Amino acid sequence: EPEVTQTPSHQVTQMGQEVILRCVPISNHLYFYWYRQILGQKVEFLVSFYNNEISEKSEIFDDQFSVERPDGSNFTLKIRSTKLEDSAMYFCASTQQETQYFGPGTRLLVL
Amino acid sequence: GENVEQHPSTLSVQEGDSAVIKCTYSDSASNYFPWYKQELGKGPQLIIDIRSNVGEKKDQRIAVTLNKTAKHFSLHITETQPEDSAVYFCAASRTGNTPLVFGKGTRLSVIA
Repeated sequence: EPEVTQTPSHQVTQMGQEVILRCVPISNHLYFYWYRQILGQKVEFLVSFYNNEISEKSEIFDDQFSVERPDGSNFTLKIRSTKLEDSAMYFCASTQQETQYFGPGTRLLVL
Repeated sequence: GENVEQHPSTLSVQEGDSAVIKCTYSDSASNYFPWYKQELGKGPQLIIDIRSNVGEKKDQRIAVTLNKTAKHFSLHITETQPEDSAVYFCAASRTGNTPLVFGKGTRLSVIA
């Protein structure tokens, strides 16, 4: 069964550094999303992407964040200058027929 | 915007008993209500969903009910098994393609 994949599974970085989280959505899916989950808290929406542009974004998704679909398969989330509070699990999701399928996540730790 | 409340935060049941998790939502424009199961270290896995034109949906031991008037929906798991132990999240959105708003989760423990 096709799955959403994410790399890396874990990322440790220093505050102020840039990180890029990578996702390969399920092929033929058209909508892509990034969510995050701070330890012990609910899953929160960051951004959705459709037709090569951002369709919606939350208040969390400020100028430090950007998304890109550089080729036909990858979908990336870039955090330009990481802060301590960016430490969280980041999930990518993709949709077919209005069902969102989530990847396994990238655990980001900012020191 | 939408706000989803979920109760209880933790639930322990004996193997074979039923478990019920309840959620309420605030936005009457929400029409899609999925439930996800999250095991330790993994991403949320969809277990069942319901849309606003349906009041109840069942898939083997799992059922979901929706009351649009009262703005609440519930997950029912019957004949629970130890492998049902996980964190369960409810969510709501306008459609399945729009951003999901999640509840805070329920940690279900099934005791053998």
